[in-house]
Amino acid sequence: GENVEQHPSTLSVQEGDSAVIKCTYSDSASNYFPWYKQELGKRPQLIIDIRSNVGEKKDQRIAVTLNKTAKHFSLHITETQPEDSAVYFCAAKAGTDKLIFGTGTRLQVFP
Amino acid sequence: NAGVTQTPKFQVLKTGQSMTLQCAQDMNHEYMSWYRQDPGMGLRLIHYSVGAGITDQGEVPNGYNVSRSTTEDFPLRLLSAAPSQTSVYFCASRKGGRETQYFGPGTRLLVL
Repeated sequence: GENVEQHPSTLSVQEGDSAVIKCTYSDSASNYFPWYKQELGKRPQLIIDIRSNVGEKKDQRIAVTLNKTAKHFSLHITETQPEDSAVYFCAAKAGTDKLIFGTGTRLQVFP
Repeated sequence: NAGVTQTPKFQVLKTGQSMTLQCAQDMNHEYMSWYRQDPGMGLRLIHYSVGAGITDQGEVPNGYNVSRSTTEDFPLRLLSAAPSQTSVYFCASRKGGRETQYFGPGTRLLVL
């Protein structure tokens, strides 16, 4: 079945710097790749997603890139702010509704 | 709309007890799923449903049962709780033809 690996597990950046989180997936049939942000004690919230027919998508300070050949996709956050501190999860969809998640990245943005 | 709701918020069980985690959505979503979240392991899919009367297994289905008698409700049953089932459980739903999945607030379960 699908397997999603996510790196790094923790990431610390200075406010204003950029942050990059990378994921790889195993199932070449996967066609949907969302990113979720989860604050402590809260539910995961979708922040951006990309489909397999698109190479890059941007929404203000966040962007996602997809390399289907290498089966890699990445989350880029520019001009980080303290409120960006959270755990970020990537996921890949295999099959009808099987969303397989990565193990998460704890991002800390220091003022 | 209340969105996706889950009850209870927190539950303590003894090993061997049974219980049902409730999940409901009022958005007329066809697809519903149950995940468990453990530290360092992300969210893992337990069971999912693509519509009333249809369910299927996810990554970690053992020890859990589900049914989907209505579009709105998707309960998760633990028949004989084990300490390994201590976790935070999230229910999620999405509309057919759309990818965005909405999560409920979660149920924190502790099995002693």
